[in-house]
Amino acid sequence: DSGVTQTPKHLITATGQRVTLRCSPRSGDLSVYWYQQSLDQGLQFLIQYYNGEERAKGNILERFSAQQFPDLHSELNLSSLELGDSALYFCASSVVPSGSAYNEQFFGPGTRLTVL
Amino acid sequence: SQQGEEDPQALSIQEGENATMNCSYKTSINNLQWYRQNSGRGLVHLILIRSNEREKHSGRLRVTLDTSKKSSSLLITASRAADTASYFCATASPVPPFGSARQLTFGSGTQLTVLP
Repeated sequence: DSGVTQTPKHLITATGQRVTLRCSPRSGDLSVYWYQQSLDQGLQFLIQYYNGEERAKGNILERFSAQQFPDLHSELNLSSLELGDSALYFCASSVVPSGSAYNEQFFGPGTRLTVL
Repeated sequence: SQQGEEDPQALSIQEGENATMNCSYKTSINNLQWYRQNSGRGLVHLILIRSNEREKHSGRLRVTLDTSKKSSSLLITASRAADTASYFCATASPVPPFGSARQLTFGSGTQLTVLP
């Protein structure tokens, strides 16, 4: 158990819908990362938040957005869903102390999204 | 595109044998990490090697890093059936302008099967 929790475990929805995925980082971790894992694209970095602020953006679509709340939990919002959005969505967290060059990321169990 | 590319894509060995997986990357890095993923589950951090290190050990794992060749290898000795999983290398690169932010870029993974 990594200490990172994600809800829900599974989500089945229809095209055009909107869903919210939730992540709670490990206690004390200020940084949250979102990743998408699909068969054709592999594991792709989407976005990072650090202490409530967006820190880095990867291959995140404009239909997707995220935020990190004062209690450090994060939500990933996916809208106007398409069949191709079906994937495993992972959240990870890390401490990322200031000035440190070395950060291990701890991954949650993932949310499996199926868009029908 | 993927920063790290693992080789081979799939590896099948007998229990007790050693398994070697290789990873190549393209840009300069702060560190390189190896993760393991059991089918459909979250990723588990195995080992991190810093850019100024050449070799690191952790239990039955041995990781090497050659920054001149931009490559790394993961050796699992005396493999067990429970080692069956996908193994990913991930490179950590700085994300300007925040020095403490790190984006992990994952390779496509090696699927290891250890036969009993």
